Amino acid sequence: DGGITQSPKYLFRKEGQNVTLSCEQNLNHDAMYWYRQDPGQGLRLIYYSQIVNDFQKGDIAEGYSVSREKKESFPLTVTSAQKNPTAFYLCASSIEGGETQYFGPGTRLLVL
Amino acid sequence: GQNIDQPTEMTATEGAIVQINCTYQTSGFNGLFWYQQHAGEAPTFLSYNVLDGLEEKGRFSSFLSRSKGYSYLLLKELQMKDSASYLCAAPPDKIIFGKGTRLHILP
Repeated sequence: DGGITQSPKYLFRKEGQNVTLSCEQNLNHDAMYWYRQDPGQGLRLIYYSQIVNDFQKGDIAEGYSVSREKKESFPLTVTSAQKNPTAFYLCASSIEGGETQYFGPGTRLLVL
Repeated sequence: GQNIDQPTEMTATEGAIVQINCTYQTSGFNGLFWYQQHAGEAPTFLSYNVLDGLEEKGRFSSFLSRSKGYSYLLLKELQMKDSASYLCAAPPDKIIFGKGTRLHILP
């Protein structure tokens, strides 16, 4: 079955550590996105990529980094520079930019 | 700039009808999306309007007026499972999401 997966579902991190969140899709979508959602808030765009080996900063890119070496994969690294990383992270993909986005199940990151 | 506004919370009764409004300002326009998000889960796609007018899909309908920068989501015959957040979102090249409207359904 085609879909978009994120792992792990829950992730704990000690302050000062980098952590990488996985996002994989087998929908053959060109565009992929990372969002952050805080309790009771909407989605804020961190990074997006419309094609392999290219990506753009969203509204809140500081403290995060991404790579897009393969069409299927768009991992997000939360660096120690991100001062308030505890949040729900959602990955999405679409056929191309601006089209309907399909979301993965999300990763809940908790900094201890 | 780009901005999307929708009410923060709404309450309705099981079996009733509710309308969730959304106004938007974007530098370009390529349609308007509505997503549903249950607590703790990922958003799921509900509808996409690119032309003016009403599009009906079962109990859910979505309306768009491009000249007014306005859309609404209409939910009929409300069920308890409709308790969720409803997110309005607009392109152009990336999608800008509103903060969502939390809909509470009372029995």
